[in-house]
Amino acid sequence: AQRVTQPEKLLSVFKGAPVELKCNYSYSGSPELFWYVQYSRQRLQLLLRHISRESIKGFTADLNKGETSFHLKKPFAQEEDSAMYYCALRNSGYALNFGKGTSLLVTP
Amino acid sequence: EAGVAQSPRYKIIEKRQSVAFWCNPISGHATLYWYQQILGQGPKLLIQFQNNGVVDDSQLPKDRFSAERLKGVDSTLKIQPAKLEDSAVYLCASKGQMNTEAFFGQGTRLTVV
Repeated sequence: AQRVTQPEKLLSVFKGAPVELKCNYSYSGSPELFWYVQYSRQRLQLLLRHISRESIKGFTADLNKGETSFHLKKPFAQEEDSAMYYCALRNSGYALNFGKGTSLLVTP
Repeated sequence: EAGVAQSPRYKIIEKRQSVAFWCNPISGHATLYWYQQILGQGPKLLIQFQNNGVVDDSQLPKDRFSAERLKGVDSTLKIQPAKLEDSAVYLCASKGQMNTEAFFGQGTRLTVV
């Protein structure tokens, strides 16, 4: 069975500090992983996907198949990064299986 | 491009009543999803359409939930009768054939009292 685990419900960091949001997955095939973000009062939107290997708003995520992880990282957090972050795994039918989410709070 | 539109934004009903949600996907998007997001959890897929056909409804509680996408464009999700545990945000998303990103609507927040 496929599963996405985000162990932290809430992560609080100071502005300028590094941040890492953890995501672990279980999937028998070749995984396709995403990070979605939801800012306050806004809709859920794609932040990045592992196949693109891109950096968006300073965030990066590397797929580690050995550790079955797809952690989201940013070297210097900004207050505007405060939001809910969801890790998601695409299934064979192209639907997304989401983790429970991590609330990131960046304080000045 | 115009986003996924959902209505209503909020709905409060009593248990055992019926409710319907409407979704208008991004123009040209063949794939449409309905997700249920209970407070404190991530979105959970209820049903996936490809044009007007159902691809996956394995997690849809079919004794009370139904969904249709008659002309392969707009979709409605209905709950009849509602239970307290149906209180959640119902998200609609759509995806085009040529990209891999799913775009989400603002959601409908349902409260069952």
